[in-house]
Amino acid sequence: DADVTQTPRNRITKTGKRIMLECSQTKGHDRMYWYRQDPGLGLQLIYYSFDVKDINKGEISDGYSVSRQAQAKFSLSLESAIPNQTALYFCATSETTTGANEKLFFGSGTQLSVL
Amino acid sequence: KQEVTQIPAALSVPEGENLVLNCSFTDSAIYNLQWFRQDPGKGLTSLLLIQSSQREQTSGRLNASLDKSSGRSTLYIAASQPGDSATYLCAVAGSNYKLTFGKGTLLTVNP
Repeated sequence: DADVTQTPRNRITKTGKRIMLECSQTKGHDRMYWYRQDPGLGLQLIYYSFDVKDINKGEISDGYSVSRQAQAKFSLSLESAIPNQTALYFCATSETTTGANEKLFFGSGTQLSVL
Repeated sequence: KQEVTQIPAALSVPEGENLVLNCSFTDSAIYNLQWFRQDPGKGLTSLLLIQSSQREQTSGRLNASLDKSSGRSTLYIAASQPGDSATYLCAVAGSNYKLTFGKGTLLTVNP
């Protein structure tokens, strides 16, 4: 089984619908992240959480919200989906270290299409 | 604001060739630089991590170097194989250890 699991793998929805993407991890890491990737662009950070009670906005948080239900679970919600939120979404985890040696582990991604 | 640039955007080489992928960044105040591999339909896999105090890291046929003062890193792949075909992403960790990613280099190794 994958260490970082994202569900669903693919989702097609309509404008205005509420969507939740889920991420769970078995690595025991404190830190979890949500990124989005658009064709031809680098990954952009949406939200990150350093522990269950610590949630922070990333570069492009508008239109998104998150919930850290437990150390192992971090979900991303689109309250009212719009077409420009069509993208590949990645969840990632990292272990709290000194920072200089902090490596990220990624899930397989969720391809979201908003029509 | 940190910006990460990867050159070339795409590269096609014959099997067996040695190759170099380039990454540059604008702010030298980094904690580390990481190289990732992304296969279609899959997530990113961390290949190498170079701490800001280090000059290079090696793993098998891969060697990554870091010149923090000039804002550059290279990923050297020796004796390339078709299985190396993927997109390679460079990312730098700045304040709060958040990563800034480049757009990637799409590598195709032809048999």
